[in-house]
Amino acid sequence: KAGVTQTPRYLIKTRGQQVTLSCSPISGHRSVSWYQQTPGQGLQFLFEYFSETQRNKGNFPGRFSGRQFSNSRSEMNVSTLELGDSALYLCASSTLDTETQYFGPGTRLLVL
Amino acid sequence: SQKIEQNSEALNIQEGKTATLTCNYTNYSPAYLQWYRQDPGRGPVFLLLIRENEKEKRKERLKVTFDTTLKQSLFHITASQPADSATYLCALDMDSNSGYELNFGKGTSLLVTP
Repeated sequence: KAGVTQTPRYLIKTRGQQVTLSCSPISGHRSVSWYQQTPGQGLQFLFEYFSETQRNKGNFPGRFSGRQFSNSRSEMNVSTLELGDSALYLCASSTLDTETQYFGPGTRLLVL
Repeated sequence: SQKIEQNSEALNIQEGKTATLTCNYTNYSPAYLQWYRQDPGRGPVFLLLIRENEKEKRKERLKVTFDTTLKQSLFHITASQPADSATYLCALDMDSNSGYELNFGKGTSLLVTP
């Protein structure tokens, strides 16, 4: 089975712009979670989707949003980018019968 | 507030020795705890999960203990190898009513030297 894929792998944006990141889960996985990883804060939970519904949301401002499509692919969007949004954004997928998260390689976002 | 603490300092050990990493938590009552490995520039990879009613779990050279009274998990790598060098993260579930929401520690960097 192919693993979790994320596109793009690298992205450079400027302050004030918006960005959309994409995640394709492992085939058959219907839960998709997003995390932000920075050297200072570590891995922080953004949100989790299952069957196109957001089930959980972390403590991030409303500029961070996401959605899931009927084929379980997910996108996350960050509007009005700030310098502090520079991070590695990781997507993870899972099935209902396991708590294990399978992570993708991440999208590294640099905001200038 | 809920907090997960892992040794912030890097752990340097010699090949063949046992590496022991610590994960302490406060203000949690997790149903389970997980350990992940992360290599530079890559996403975390799942290693082991231990549930609140389990004291110990093993997988090949890996062993995890879970003490809900002390609110601590220990992660052991026996007969360590240079290939074990990576950052190791512990993660606890957020006790959500539904779905998954993991809270991660900041990780401990392990360096195994020949």
